[in-house]
Amino acid sequence: QVQLVESGGGVVQPGRSLRLSCAASGFTFSDYGMHWVRQAPGKGLEWVALLWYDGSKKYYADSVKGRFTISRDNSKNTLSLQMDSLRAEDTAMYYCARGRGSYYGEIESWGQGTLVTVSS
Amino acid sequence: DIQMTQSPSTLSASVGDRVTITCRASQSISRWLAWYQQKPGKAPDLLIYRSSSLETGVPSRFSGSGSGTEFTLTISSLQPDDFATYYCQHYSSYQHTFGQGTKLEIQ
Repeated sequence: QVQLVESGGGVVQPGRSLRLSCAASGFTFSDYGMHWVRQAPGKGLEWVALLWYDGSKKYYADSVKGRFTISRDNSKNTLSLQMDSLRAEDTAMYYCARGRGSYYGEIESWGQGTLVTVSS
Repeated sequence: DIQMTQSPSTLSASVGDRVTITCRASQSISRWLAWYQQKPGKAPDLLIYRSSSLETGVPSRFSGSGSGTEFTLTISSLQPDDFATYYCQHYSSYQHTFGQGTKLEIQ
């Protein structure tokens, strides 16, 4: 079955960087577009970024554009999110998620999330 | 960018009730809309995609409809397991915007 396991969360000071990883298993990772979605404590879902199956196209929410970078290693079945210049408002649970299909589309599988706290 | 607005923000209902949640897009999105259910402390689950297609394994009491700018999620007869928060999401090649969510509470 599809498994997505996030790691790399923690407490980080404003202005610093953090890198999240997502280990995928149970499916052919290189066939699917992959997302990061976040949820601030007690708040709603916010889509963060999308990366096509082959890494050729990347899309970001305006709130993270220029600060976050999504990437993937299809040889290691791993999705990453490099987060730079972190702000207090980036504090959230970050979910790795698989889209339906190679490009964009509805999200059909989710990890359990990794918590990022930005605080001094 | 397209904005998605859900209503109501909170909905109180009883087991057996029929409930409807509305999602409006700031411009036409054809049928590129999904619905998700999220329970506390858990990741969301996909219920409906492409406005009205039921995801495999989702009970048939859930249904979706709409196109253009107005969409609805209907639960025909609420079950105890349905009390949760529901989100709509527009998806396109470059954005995947969520609505703010509707919390469905037990009356």
